[in-house]
Amino acid sequence: AQSVTQPDIHITVSEGASLELRCNYSYGATPYLFWYVQSPGQGLQLLLKYFSGDTLVQGIKGFEAEFKRSQSSFNLRKPSVHWSDAAEYFCYGGSQGNLIFGKGTKLSVKP
Amino acid sequence: NAGVTQTPKFQVLKTGQSMTLQCAQDMNHEYMSWYRQDPGMGLRLIHYSVGAGITDQGEVPNGYNVSRSTTEDFPLRLLSAAPSQTSVYFCASSYSGLLSSYEQYFGPGTRLTVT
Repeated sequence: AQSVTQPDIHITVSEGASLELRCNYSYGATPYLFWYVQSPGQGLQLLLKYFSGDTLVQGIKGFEAEFKRSQSSFNLRKPSVHWSDAAEYFCYGGSQGNLIFGKGTKLSVKP
Repeated sequence: NAGVTQTPKFQVLKTGQSMTLQCAQDMNHEYMSWYRQDPGMGLRLIHYSVGAGITDQGEVPNGYNVSRSTTEDFPLRLLSAAPSQTSVYFCASSYSGLLSSYEQYFGPGTRLTVT
């Protein structure tokens, strides 16, 4: 069965520090992969997506993610975190017509 | 465009009561879905629809009914609410579920408490 795993439940980083949120998937072929962000009390907003082509994708708010087939990963990165990035982040992916969410990683930002 | 709208934003029910969560989208999306979000569980798919008149079950369908009479609307019905249905419910839509390369657009959510 397909799975999307976010190994870190909660991460705390200092404002201005770099960020990497991990996402691992299990699926034989090239999956469709997305990262969503959910601010407190809000719905989900798409940050970026990958279907094929260039393995480094750029998203909104200064985020990027890299698809690594050899590691079955699609990690989300940001070079310098802002306090407003504090939120919950969800990886979403799988095969066409069968995508599932990871359980999410909550990001806290220290001043 | 209003995007995906959900009503109500908050609801408290007693065990055994019924209610309908409303979801509407004005983007002419074929694919609509309902998720529930619980702490530590991520979002789990309840039901989805690939077009008017077509619905199917997701991962956690028990206790919920849906119908899709129009492209715009996709209500979720709780026939007999149970405390286990206390959750935040999100409706989402996208251009096509068959081509899931298209991103999903989410509503703001409905926070439901069943006592």
